[in-house]
Order: sequence, then C-alpha cells, then structure tokens
Amino acid sequence: EAGVVQSPRYKIIEKKQPVAFWCNPISGHNTLYWYRQNLGQGPELLIRYENEEAVDDSQLPKDRFSAERLKGVDSTLKIQPAELGDSAVYLCASSLGELAEQYFGPGTRLTVT
Amino acid sequence: AQSVTQLGSHVSVSEGALVLLRCNYSSSVPPYLFWYVQYPNQGLQLLLKYTSAATLVKGINGFEAEFKKSETSFHLTKPSAHMSDAAEYFCAVSKSGGSYIPTFGRGTSLIVHP
Repeated sequence: EAGVVQSPRYKIIEKKQPVAFWCNPISGHNTLYWYRQNLGQGPELLIRYENEEAVDDSQLPKDRFSAERLKGVDSTLKIQPAELGDSAVYLCASSLGELAEQYFGPGTRLTVT
Repeated sequence: AQSVTQLGSHVSVSEGALVLLRCNYSSSVPPYLFWYVQYPNQGLQLLLKYTSAATLVKGINGFEAEFKKSETSFHLTKPSAHMSDAAEYFCAVSKSGGSYIPTFGRGTSLIVHP
C-alpha cells in the first residue's frame, strides 16, 4: 500500500513569491490534514478536511494561505505571498476518520529567503 | 483548551538502558493520547495510542506507555534502548469537548550512546 505522497520535498523561494505544496493521501482515507512544523517544535494543525469539506481551519492564516481538496482526494496548500516566517516543514497526513490513526507524509521543507 | 508538555527536549541513554520520555497533558475531558516517532527527514509514525481502554498501552518496537489520570501523565518507556531508537518523539492529545484537533508537544530528542 502506497503511503502519503507529498511534493516537492524541498522548496527554496524568495519572500513575496508564491508557493504550492501537493499531497496525495492514502487511497480511501477521507480525512486529510495539513500541519506546519517549525524547527524544534511539534506539528501544528493548519487545516483538516473531511472529504472535500474543510472542517477545521481556525489555525490557517487566511490572508496568505489557501487550501483546496478537489473531489475529496488530492489536496494543495498555497502561500501567497510567502514571508520569512513561513520557513518550516509542511506535513500532510490522512486517516480513515478523525479519531483513526493518522499516516504522515515525509513533508515539504520550505525555505524563504 | 488542551495542551501537552514534554519534559526535556533531549534525553540521552546508553544502549541497553531504560528509556523514559515524559508527557503531561491538560484536557477538560477524557483525552485520547498518542506517541509518535519521527526519524530524520521522514514523517511522523504512530507508536501507540490510548483511547480510554486499558491504561497500559503497548506499541510497536517494544515501547509502551501508561495513562495515569491522577497525574495527568502518559509517559513512554522501553526496557532496553537500541541504537535504532534514536529519533524525535512527540506526545499528542486529541479530543476536547466536541473537537478532535490533535495538539502536539514540542518533542523530545532521544540520543542513544553505544
């Protein structure tokens, strides 16, 4: 069984540029999560999807961050424009439900210069 | 609001020694508790979880954790450390009222000396 796939694995951009991250969850997993992990910290939830509906997005900085999950499968997280403080690892996870085990992807390491 | 405190950002043990990683939680309702492990450049992997069944939970790779409500703790232990156990460990709490947003601790880096 394929795990959660994320791309790109690494991204370096200049501040004020846009950037997008892509996540393909495990087949059949209806719940999808995006987390941000700052250096030396635990993951912080940005947004959670149940199928194509965003059900928890209170931590998402909506002025510059956006996310979508078309058809309830793949998801894209976008930042526009990026700021220096956005440098972090962005993790995607999926599960069979909100209380089920979460399976994490390897993450995208973003560096904003 | 729920929160997690992991005591000690780094724990160093010798190979074969007992591993003890501490986690205390705060939750207004009976929580679900988790331990995850993260190896370098990889995503998090679930070690074990507590969901209000047995208070002693056994996980993968010989790890176990005990839920102690009176101490609001969920410490992770392993009788004998292996070099391959060196990684970052995260405690997480989920379920607060009607919300299941997981909250992670800051993590503890386990260092294993030969």
